[in-house]
Amino acid sequence: DQQVKQNSPSLSVQEGRISILNCDYTNSMFDYFLWYKKYPAEGPTFLISISSIKDKNEDGRFTVFLNKSAKHLSLHIVPSQPGDSAVYFCAASALGGTSYGKLTFGQGTILTVHP
Amino acid sequence: DVKVTQSSRYLVKRTGEKVFLECVQDMDHENMFWYRQDPGLGLRLIYFSYDVKMKEKGDIPEGYSVSREKKERFSLILESASTNQTSMYLCASSPAGLDEQYFGPGTRLTVT
Repeated sequence: DQQVKQNSPSLSVQEGRISILNCDYTNSMFDYFLWYKKYPAEGPTFLISISSIKDKNEDGRFTVFLNKSAKHLSLHIVPSQPGDSAVYFCAASALGGTSYGKLTFGQGTILTVHP
Repeated sequence: DVKVTQSSRYLVKRTGEKVFLECVQDMDHENMFWYRQDPGLGLRLIYFSYDVKMKEKGDIPEGYSVSREKKERFSLILESASTNQTSMYLCASSPAGLDEQYFGPGTRLTVT
């Protein structure tokens, strides 16, 4: 049972354009969501997060939107750069900081940004 | 700077061997995790630990065990390696009360 789903295995975008990566979840207990970025031969690195009490969080070129009623979140990258090419993982946790920090990850989306 | 290290980047083992994967963090984090990453399946949690000598099963613990004798070190053990355990193994840690995890570089394990 995949509780966090990223239905697009890959996404190709032109440099300078917007990249939109999507993530859906099924567990209503999830209340904190994170995006990680992973380059080949490296571990994932934290990118941005959002709490369920918010519907938007912005950090530079990266914005995460949360739609709780639809159980959907998205990551927007504007403008996209070739260095953004990586695998992006969506992750979710339940009960905030009382769950020992356990995260449930999606399958990942491979983003390719063409110069 | 936050640092999670894993004992090997690449490892090749034979079927039936006992395999040890070591992970060390220098951030004094309470929580530590072992994941495996497979194409199309994302990161799947094998085991985690929230304190020394404490361990909890994740989503796919079968065929694995763990050991946490010291706060900074979390070991993953494959009791009898099988070819379906060929994968990328990632270790992570996080402080108590926070969900952001810090990952090591990963160990690419091949079982032949």
